[in-house]
Amino acid sequence: ILNVEQSPQSLHVQEGDSTNFTCSFPSSNFYALHWYRWETAKSPEALFVMTLNGDEKKKGRISATLNTKEGYSYLYIKGSQPEDSATYLCALNYNQGGKLIFGQGTELSVKP
Amino acid sequence: EADIYQTPRYLVIGTGKKITLECSQTMGHDKMYWYQQDPGMELHLIHYSYGVNSTEKGDLSSESTVSRIRTEHFPLTLESARPSHTSQYLCASSRDRANYEQYFGPGTRLTVT
Repeated sequence: ILNVEQSPQSLHVQEGDSTNFTCSFPSSNFYALHWYRWETAKSPEALFVMTLNGDEKKKGRISATLNTKEGYSYLYIKGSQPEDSATYLCALNYNQGGKLIFGQGTELSVKP
Repeated sequence: EADIYQTPRYLVIGTGKKITLECSQTMGHDKMYWYQQDPGMELHLIHYSYGVNSTEKGDLSSESTVSRIRTEHFPLTLESARPSHTSQYLCASSRDRANYEQYFGPGTRLTVT
């Protein structure tokens, strides 16, 4: 079974801090890398879907990069806010079927 | 906002009972998925469907079964619940390409006593 590793497992930061998380995966053919945000008591929400080596995507204060050759993706949050507190999930499609393999997630807590 | 619904949100039930977890989406997506998450663990795919009358088992073995008689409906059934089935179950759907995002329901938290 292919393994998707996320680090750190949890992160506690102060409001205004910038932070980043890592998603590591076997460097092999895959179709897409997904980032999701999962707030407590809500549904996981898609942030980005990335497919190409060197891809960079941005949504507001959140951005992500992808390096398929070395097998990692970074998610950055600039100027963290308490509403950014959530678990951030990384997942990979290794086939065209859309089946996702998830990492364990990074739990972010932003204190005011 | 995604239009995918799951009921019930929480269920506490005794061993041996038959249960059905409901999942419906109004987006017309062909692909639907069931994931299971045990406490502190990753989400694991247990079932998926590429369309009506199509169902396949996922990467994680599960005693549950699913059906897909209508595009919008993808229920999951446990014939005889056991404490080992205690977990969170999430349903998702997507359009028909691997690089399309999946839309998740809010999940069902199942406790079998």
